[in-house]
Amino acid sequence: GAVVSQHPSRVICKSGTSVKIECRSLDFQATTMFWYRQFPKQSLMLMATSNEGSKATYEQGVEKDKFLINHASLTLSTLTVTSAHPEDSSFYICSAIDYRNQPQHFGDGTRLSIL
Amino acid sequence: AQTVTQSQPEMSVQEAETVTLSCTYDTSENNYYLFWYKQPPSRQMILVIRQEAYKQQNATENRFSVNFQKAAKSFSLKISDSQLGDTAMYFCAFLGYTGANSKLTFGKGITLSVRP
Repeated sequence: GAVVSQHPSRVICKSGTSVKIECRSLDFQATTMFWYRQFPKQSLMLMATSNEGSKATYEQGVEKDKFLINHASLTLSTLTVTSAHPEDSSFYICSAIDYRNQPQHFGDGTRLSIL
Repeated sequence: AQTVTQSQPEMSVQEAETVTLSCTYDTSENNYYLFWYKQPPSRQMILVIRQEAYKQQNATENRFSVNFQKAAKSFSLKISDSQLGDTAMYFCAFLGYTGANSKLTFGKGITLSVRP
């Protein structure tokens, strides 16, 4: 089946650092990738949708300058949390779809902890 | 905009028994997909089962089956012969076909505990 690889799985860093998370589709071309944020015991909250070669579409309330998304190829999207602060600590999950549009295939997530 | 409601925050079931997780949704669309995802403590998102709204037959995947009631906008998940490995958070999700609706809308989730 379709595999989405997300790295790193765990990041601990100091406040003010910028952190990049990669999401790769390993055996299919991802026309669209999604980035979610999840707090403990809560549901997934969609942050943004990215299509290859175009700017990401951010959900209401998500800061574009804080969460930079790049989808430069059909197999790679990156989320950069710029100048991260403790309140950015969370679990971030990416997902990807191919031309068939569903279902979404999820990465294993990244646990981000900002000290 | 569509909404997905999972009103039960937690449930518990004895191993080998059957449990039903409820989900209701609201949409004005006629064609859409519905999903149940499982998120175990490892936090991977695992697709359990999916239903296409135009199909009247309820989807089944081994021990997992759904009761899809389109008119009532209800989409419950039945887990038969519950196993310890079924302990997880379960999310019901809606996906429309077009435009702003072509992104997953998740319910709040339900934490299922399977007791030995």
